[in-house]
Amino acid sequence: DAGVTQSPTHLIKTRGQQVTLRCSPISGHKSVSWYQQVLGQGPQFIFQYYEKEERGRGNFPDRFSARQFPNYSSELNVNALLLGDSALYLCASSWASGGLNTEAFFGQGTRLTVV
Amino acid sequence: TQLLEQSPQFLSIQEGENLTVYCNSSSVFSSLQWYRQEPGEGPVLLVTVVTGGEVKKLKRLTFQFGDARKDSSLHITAAQPGDTGLYLCAGTSGSARQLTFGSGTQLTVLP
Repeated sequence: DAGVTQSPTHLIKTRGQQVTLRCSPISGHKSVSWYQQVLGQGPQFIFQYYEKEERGRGNFPDRFSARQFPNYSSELNVNALLLGDSALYLCASSWASGGLNTEAFFGQGTRLTVV
Repeated sequence: TQLLEQSPQFLSIQEGENLTVYCNSSSVFSSLQWYRQEPGEGPVLLVTVVTGGEVKKLKRLTFQFGDARKDSSLHITAAQPGDTGLYLCAGTSGSARQLTFGSGTQLTVLP
């Protein structure tokens, strides 16, 4: 079975532009979460979606948005990019939205560089 | 805000040595996970601990969850160069949906 797949793997954008990152969860998993990992730090939670509904939102500005599709894949959108948005964006898939079944399996990430 | 502090931040040891990485918080977690991450890759789940005092072993890795479920440790015996990577602890608590990650321990095992 395929693991969590993310696209693209690398991306370079200019300040002020918009970007869309994509994620396909493990087959059978209904929850997708997005994390931002700045170099030298642990991942920071951005969003969680379960059954196409937003179930959690981290402390990120409104420039960040996401959605989940009927096939459970997800997109993360970031508008008006800032240099500080440069990071590894990770998608995590899990079977459930919370509780003890919150074991999350991560994709390889999208490395976003804003210049 | 729940915080997880990991120590040490950096660790460089020789092959064959033992080491322990710590993950501490003032908050109680319902479960705690350990991940290993290599450069340019996403974190890979190593283990999940859910019961206070629980000990799990994965080959040369031993994971322990504190009795009060506020802290955890990862012990590696006879470290090998293949153990090199960023070790991250992450917790969940209550109704919170997300994982709260520590800042990580960068381990380098020299041959």
